[in-house]
Amino acid sequence: DIQMTQSPSSLSASVGDRVTVTCRASQTISRYLNWYQQKPGKAPSLLIYAASRLQSGVPSRFSGSGSGTEFTLTISSLQPEDFATYYCQQTYDTPITFGQGTRLEIK
Amino acid sequence: EVELVESGGGLVKPGGSLRLSCAASGFTFSDYSMNWVRQAPGKGLEWVASISSSSEYIYYGDSLKGRFTISRDNAQNSLSLQITGLRADDTAVYYCARVNTGRSFSFDDHWGQGTLVTVSS
Repeated sequence: DIQMTQSPSSLSASVGDRVTVTCRASQTISRYLNWYQQKPGKAPSLLIYAASRLQSGVPSRFSGSGSGTEFTLTISSLQPEDFATYYCQQTYDTPITFGQGTRLEIK
Repeated sequence: EVELVESGGGLVKPGGSLRLSCAASGFTFSDYSMNWVRQAPGKGLEWVASISSSSEYIYYGDSLKGRFTISRDNAQNSLSLQITGLRADDTAVYYCARVNTGRSFSFDDHWGQGTLVTVSS
């Protein structure tokens, strides 16, 4: 199975900060990497697919990069509604696997 | 508008069975693969199973084979997940998700609100 490891597991930041979350795969997954945002009590929501493609309707302050085994999600200027948990997901091979999540909290 | 609505969750005793359903609307259901993903209380996301648009390809998470059965009825725009031999560690919110395979990449672009399964005596 392909293991996905996110870092950090939690992060405190302020409104307006630039934030980066990293996701590493245990083997190469090309660009088969997606990012989701989840708020408490809600279903996950797709932010980025294919490593760097912004899902329709997602604000442009979100961006993704990387290929192979290392990927990043960047929020250029944190907004109050961005405080949530973020998950990466690989769809290169089954079983599909998720990172453990990164909880973004208000400082 | 794409809508996915799960149902069928509830409180079940260990060893029991349950059938979860996901009603789809707002898109041509038979054109899309579908996933089930679960989330235990306070934990992360775990992929459960996938089914292709015409049910020709079915995949399960490694630890779930044998107790979980995914199926779909394209005439009824419905996705199902049958779970048998329920255990306490199956307690989770179960989400159905639509799989988009744009440009050969695969991603879950729409999710239902989830249905809670609680396994307890």
